[in-house]
Amino acid sequence: AQTVTQSQPEMSVQEAETVTLSCTYDTSENNYYLFWYKQPPSRQMILVIRQEAYKQQNATENRFSVNFQKAAKSFSLKISDSQLGDTAMYFCAFQGNRDDKIIFGKGTRLHILP
Amino acid sequence: DADVTQTPRNRITKTGKRIMLECSQTKGHDRMYWYRQDPGLGLRLIYYSFDVKDINKGEISDGYSVSRQAQAKFSLSLESAIPNQTALYFCATSDSPQGHHRAEAFFGQGTRLTVV
Repeated sequence: AQTVTQSQPEMSVQEAETVTLSCTYDTSENNYYLFWYKQPPSRQMILVIRQEAYKQQNATENRFSVNFQKAAKSFSLKISDSQLGDTAMYFCAFQGNRDDKIIFGKGTRLHILP
Repeated sequence: DADVTQTPRNRITKTGKRIMLECSQTKGHDRMYWYRQDPGLGLRLIYYSFDVKDINKGEISDGYSVSRQAQAKFSLSLESAIPNQTALYFCATSDSPQGHHRAEAFFGQGTRLTVV
């Protein structure tokens, strides 16, 4: 069965700094999708970035980028020039091609300090 | 209007009561999911459905049941609510990640359920 592990329950960084959130996963599949979702205090789930496993190039969305290491089954999120609005829970998620269900890690609570 | 709508947004119920959480979507997606979120445990999958006739148990289905009334509607029921079912519940939809569809889950606003 697939699993997603986020080893950092909580992190704090100063505004404008760069922060990296870790995620590892376990799967026997070769083709799959990985996601980072953000949950601000409003509790809405917002897609931050996605990565297709068959693509070697790391995904980037403005200040958000990933370091996807397929062999190591690692999928970290880097937030550059962090802003107060980045304060939120961040969830790493996996979706396989075999049964399509989406599974989540336990989350990392990120605090951006002024 | 939201693409994925959950009702109610908040609910307090008593132990032993039956309660239904409803989810409807206008995305036209085949796949629908129910998750519960607890502090420190992330989102855990309760049930998921790939079409009206295809219902699957997730990792924590005990104490829950679901009904896929139509492609656009997926309801979650607690037959006899208990206090440890107090949680934030999310409904989500997605297209199949295969083919030309972009893999992404779209979430409702969540239902805060408290069982007293």
